[in-house]
Amino acid sequence: EPEVTQTPSHQVTQMGQEVILRCVPISNHLYFYWYRQILGQKVEFLVSFYNNEISEKSEIFDDQFSVERPDGSNFTLKIRSTKLEDSAMYFCASSENWSDQETQYFGPGTRLLVL
Amino acid sequence: RKEVEQDPGPFNVPEGATVAFNCTYSNSASQSFFWYRQDCRKEPKLLMSVYSSGNEDGRFTAQLNRASQYISLLIRDSKLSDSATYLCVVNIGDSSYKLIFGSGTRLLVRP
Repeated sequence: EPEVTQTPSHQVTQMGQEVILRCVPISNHLYFYWYRQILGQKVEFLVSFYNNEISEKSEIFDDQFSVERPDGSNFTLKIRSTKLEDSAMYFCASSENWSDQETQYFGPGTRLLVL
Repeated sequence: RKEVEQDPGPFNVPEGATVAFNCTYSNSASQSFFWYRQDCRKEPKLLMSVYSSGNEDGRFTAQLNRASQYISLLIRDSKLSDSATYLCVVNIGDSSYKLIFGSGTRLLVRP
């Protein structure tokens, strides 16, 4: 069964450093998402992306965050200058179509720890 | 008021028990509803979509009450492998396809 993959599985960084989290969505999917989950809290939407553009972003997704699809397979989330509160599990998701009924498939996540 | 609200649990039940999860949502314009399952330190996985007429998938039954803005999930004959956190998820639709998650209800099924 096709699946979303993410690398790295774990990342430890110093506050103020830049990190890039990578995702490979399911191959025929066109819609991509990033969510995060702070330890012990709920999953929160960050951003959705289609046709090389951000479709929607949350209040969390400020100027420190950016997304990119640098080639035909990867989808990345960059945090320019990490803060302690960015420590969380970051999940990438993808869907084939753009509808409210469409299933979003989640990757296994990248656990980011900012020290 | 939280957008999606769930009892945090945990629910601790013996194998074979029937367990019910409840969820309320605040936005009456919400279009789509789902139950996801999340194992410890893993990604959310879709368990089932919830349709207006209610729907069943094996031991799992989901119900939606739009008037009360209430969603439920019933698990019959619970198995040890059902132990997980169950996430109530809502999609407002209307050109927004972000998923809005509840905090989840933790289920522990004991032998």
